Amino acid sequence: GQNIDQPTEMTATEGAIVQINCTYQTSGFNGLFWYQQHAGEAPTFLSYNVLDGLEEKGRFSSFLSRSKGYSYLLLKELQMKDSASYLCAVRRTSSGNTPLVFGKGTRLSVIA
Amino acid sequence: EPEVTQTPSHQVTQMGQEVILRCVPISNHLYFYWYRQILGQKVEFLVSFYNNEISEKSEIFDDQFSVERPDGSNFTLKIRSTKLEDSAMYFCASRSTYSHEQFFGPGTRLTVL
Repeated sequence: GQNIDQPTEMTATEGAIVQINCTYQTSGFNGLFWYQQHAGEAPTFLSYNVLDGLEEKGRFSSFLSRSKGYSYLLLKELQMKDSASYLCAVRRTSSGNTPLVFGKGTRLSVIA
Repeated sequence: EPEVTQTPSHQVTQMGQEVILRCVPISNHLYFYWYRQILGQKVEFLVSFYNNEISEKSEIFDDQFSVERPDGSNFTLKIRSTKLEDSAMYFCASRSTYSHEQFFGPGTRLTVL
């Protein structure tokens, strides 16, 4: 089966740093994705990791450890507009059209 | 910036009726997907499509569902006889050959009464 776990909700203060964790157990692994989803809107791509280590993109960074089945998304200098759900998703194989398997998402609330 | 578009944004239908949800993927993309998200739940895969045929489908995608690429731009999802539990947000996504990123459309909210 496919199992992707992430915390349901988190709260952080504007200007702070927050780390959203994701653990996965899937039949096959060919990349981990983080998407942001504002309420009632489509998921938008944030990051992609297929090798171990940290990928940095502006205020957002994503880390992957394949041996531990673990990833995190790090958001720095939080802004109110970062309040959204953050979805961890795994692609299981390298075949061209393999779909993404999503976790339930972590709802992040940024407070003043 | 190119984007995936979907119509309608909201569809209300009676149980047992047929619905067709429409998507226009990004023009040079070759891989297409349908996902759905029941309110408050996770995004779930329905079907993937490449080279005019289904590549993979989930358990949700039963005989009541079908997909079609009727022309060079549109990609449709048909539900033949809707059930109450089909009420969800349906997202179309597309991907190019050169990127891992799946681009999602804005979704169609389907309400079955």
